[in-house]
Amino acid sequence: QQQVKQSPQSLIVQKGGISIINCAYENTAFDYFPWYQQFPGKGPALLIAIRPDVSEKKEGRFTISFNKSAKQFSLHIMDSQPGDSATYFCAAPPNAGGTSYGKLTFGQGTILTVHP
Amino acid sequence: DAGVIQSPRHEVTEMGQEVTLRCKPISGHDYLFWYRQTMMRGLELLIYFNNNVPIDDSGMPEDRFSAKMPNASFSTLKIQPSEPRDSAVYFCASSLAGTVESYEQYFGPGTRLTVT
Repeated sequence: QQQVKQSPQSLIVQKGGISIINCAYENTAFDYFPWYQQFPGKGPALLIAIRPDVSEKKEGRFTISFNKSAKQFSLHIMDSQPGDSATYFCAAPPNAGGTSYGKLTFGQGTILTVHP
Repeated sequence: DAGVIQSPRHEVTEMGQEVTLRCKPISGHDYLFWYRQTMMRGLELLIYFNNNVPIDDSGMPEDRFSAKMPNASFSTLKIQPSEPRDSAVYFCASSLAGTVESYEQYFGPGTRLTVT
């Protein structure tokens, strides 16, 4: 059973600052790690993901860093904006040995608040 | 594409009643997932299907919950009888086949269920 530990539970950042959210996972059969963004009253939306054999992925102000040896990955939001205020979830595929394509285990979520 | 469609968006029912939640995945997607989200337990995978076949129902809390996918464009999650502790937001998500693509899940807007 995969476990994904996400921290912090909540984060307050000033506009223009850097937001950093961390996740740790157990073994996984496949190195694919997505981040989802959820606004109140909406479903989670895929924000950015890192694929196998890549240690960093950047899309605009959002960057994922992946440390395979430490079994950790993180989301960095540069120049944070009030519109980034949302709940962020990391996720990971099943443990090594599982063959469940598509299945993800989600972290507990981080509530990000960006003050203007 | 309209995205994942869920109905109803809100459901209020009394304890003991049967509740049926509906989902239409994105056309062409092969995987369909049912999740439950609560403050206490976060985002939990209940069951998922591949090509209309249930693959993993280990997250279904108990026999009161059942899910079906009679065809590629429709799935239902049924709770019978419902209990107050079933109150949550239920999400449906879908994804394509493929090693990486199967993990890129697209969520619907959710159904907020309140059982009184």
